[in-house]
Amino acid sequence: DGGITQSPKYLFRKEGQNVTLSCEQNLNHDAMYWYRQDPGQGLRLIYYSQIVNDFQKGDIAEGYSVSREKKESFPLTVTSAQKNPTAFYLCASKNKYGYTFGSGTRLTVV
Amino acid sequence: AQRVTQPEKLLSVFKGAPVELKCNYSYSGSPELFWYVQYSRQRLQLLLRHISRESIKGFTADLNKGETSFHLKKPFAQEEDSAMYYCALSHGSSNTGKLIFGQGTTLQVKP
Repeated sequence: DGGITQSPKYLFRKEGQNVTLSCEQNLNHDAMYWYRQDPGQGLRLIYYSQIVNDFQKGDIAEGYSVSREKKESFPLTVTSAQKNPTAFYLCASKNKYGYTFGSGTRLTVV
Repeated sequence: AQRVTQPEKLLSVFKGAPVELKCNYSYSGSPELFWYVQYSRQRLQLLLRHISRESIKGFTADLNKGETSFHLKKPFAQEEDSAMYYCALSHGSSNTGKLIFGQGTTLQVKP
């Protein structure tokens, strides 16, 4: 069953800690993306990767980091430098036919 | 700069009434535009794309390059249409381009 999997579904972080959100796809898609979803602001692009070992900043990359060591995986680290990390995070992948979205991770800072 | 604007945060209609969710864009080129829908507790999913010119679940959207708009319409709203709707623009190559989203509009269809 092909798809894109995000884990965990819910994540709690203490202030000052880094956390890593997982995104895995078995669709053989080249491109992968991380979006942040906030009420009233839609989805904003954090980082994206068009090919293994390469990635670019999106519109709100500050306080986040990513890696793309394998085609299947695009983990997102929310660092302590991110001032307002509480949000819903969506991962997506793409081929020439379109985009596929994960089910998301809700991160809450406690 | 590429931008997508959805001016309405919330649109509330009664069942059977017509629906129009507005979307305007700015893009220096030939845009590829989409509507995505997110039902409660479900993944974001593609509703329709302008190049396919099809109707999904009774929804249609026409690209108006003169007005730079891609409004989503349905003649008779159903309660199951209640969801969050996002207009989006694809920027870049067909294989790896990035998607730029509007702010989203919550559609509430009342019985």
